[in-house]
This record gives sequence, structure tokens and C-alpha cells, in this order.
Amino acid sequence: AQTVTQSQPEMSVQEAETVTLSCTYDTSENNYYLFWYKQPPSRQMILVIRQEAYKQQNATENRFSVNFQKAAKSFSLKISDSQLGDTAMYFCASYLWGDGNKLVFGAGTILRVKS
Amino acid sequence: DAGVTQSPTHLIKTRGQQVTLRCSPKSGHDTVSWYQQALGQGPQFIFQYYEEEERQRGNFPDRFSGHQFPNYSSELNVNALLLGDSALYLCASSLYGFGEKLFFGSGTQLSVL
Repeated sequence: AQTVTQSQPEMSVQEAETVTLSCTYDTSENNYYLFWYKQPPSRQMILVIRQEAYKQQNATENRFSVNFQKAAKSFSLKISDSQLGDTAMYFCASYLWGDGNKLVFGAGTILRVKS
Repeated sequence: DAGVTQSPTHLIKTRGQQVTLRCSPKSGHDTVSWYQQALGQGPQFIFQYYEEEERQRGNFPDRFSGHQFPNYSSELNVNALLLGDSALYLCASSLYGFGEKLFFGSGTQLSVL
């Protein structure tokens, strides 16, 4: 079974600064994907970034990048040049082929960007 | 191109009642998954439908059931509602075999009084 743990219930950052959200996961398999989703007050679940476990290179999407440490089972999200619109709940999630083909989510981290 | 649409957006029911939530997948998608998101928690997988059959199921009681129609749209039914069923219900669609590329709807907020 998969588990995903986000140990930071809340984080805050000043506008234009950098913040890192932490995530650890537990799976014994090799073929999986990891994700960060953003959920603003609109409740829409928005994909921020995706990482294939077989790729050693860390994924990046504009101001968003990850630090994927496979051996440590760690998958942190770095947001650079934080913007007020980044204020949201952020979820880390894993997807394991063969394990029900479902996403397993962490409990989430509330990120507040302050002006 | 419409994304995943869910209806209704909000719903209020009383304990013991039954509820039906609806989802239309993104154009071109044939697989629908349902998730329950309790307040302050991450979504939890309920079940997945493909070719009008339930393919996978999470740890939810039989009070939760679903259906998929030939046009790939789906319904989630919950019988004998409990207070603990109050949550945001998210629908997600994908192409079968590409479950890592999920698109989510905005959800239905269910309140059970």
C-alpha cells in the first residue's frame, strides 16, 4: 500500500520569496508517479507538477520545481518568486501502477503568500 | 473543450436520505474516478469506472455505489447518509491506461444535517 505524508500543516511566505513544501512517501515498487496539486478556494484540483519515478532529473514548471530523492522517498516542492495567487492548499500525491490505478494524497499543506 | 463538469455544486441532505452526484468527463476520456475529500484532509479514492463497470474500489462501504453510462458520464450514489458523509466529492477523468493523467472537476459539496 502507498502512503503519502505531508508534515507541514501550514506555511507562509512573503511575496517574491522562495518556499519549500515537504512530502515523503512510502512504496516498495519502482513504477510510480509523484505529483503536486494545488487547490485554491475554488476547490478545483490543479496539477502543478509531475515526476516519473524512473527519471532522475527533477521536474520543473516555470516557478515550480521539485527535489526528488528516490532513496529517501522524499519529494519536496519549491516555489520561487512566490505570488499572491499561489495562496492555496497544496497536496502531494502518488500514483502506483497496479495498485488500483488511484491517486493517494497526503493531508495537504496550506500555503499563504503575504504581501 | 469542456473539462470535467460536476453537478450540483452544492447539496444539503439529512441523515438517512439518499443522494446522487453527477459527472461528465473531459472530452475524449473514457474513465471516471470518484474521490471524497473531508474538510481539512486530502482526497480519498472511492472507485473507478471504465466500460460501464466498477474497476477499482477504495475502502468505502457498500452504501457508496456508482454507475457509468455509454457516453462515459458517471453517477455516484450514497444511501443512508451519515453525518460523516459530509465532504467535497471530486470526480476525475482520464483515458484508460493513463490514470496518471487525471483531470479533476470542481466538486460537489455535500452537507448532511
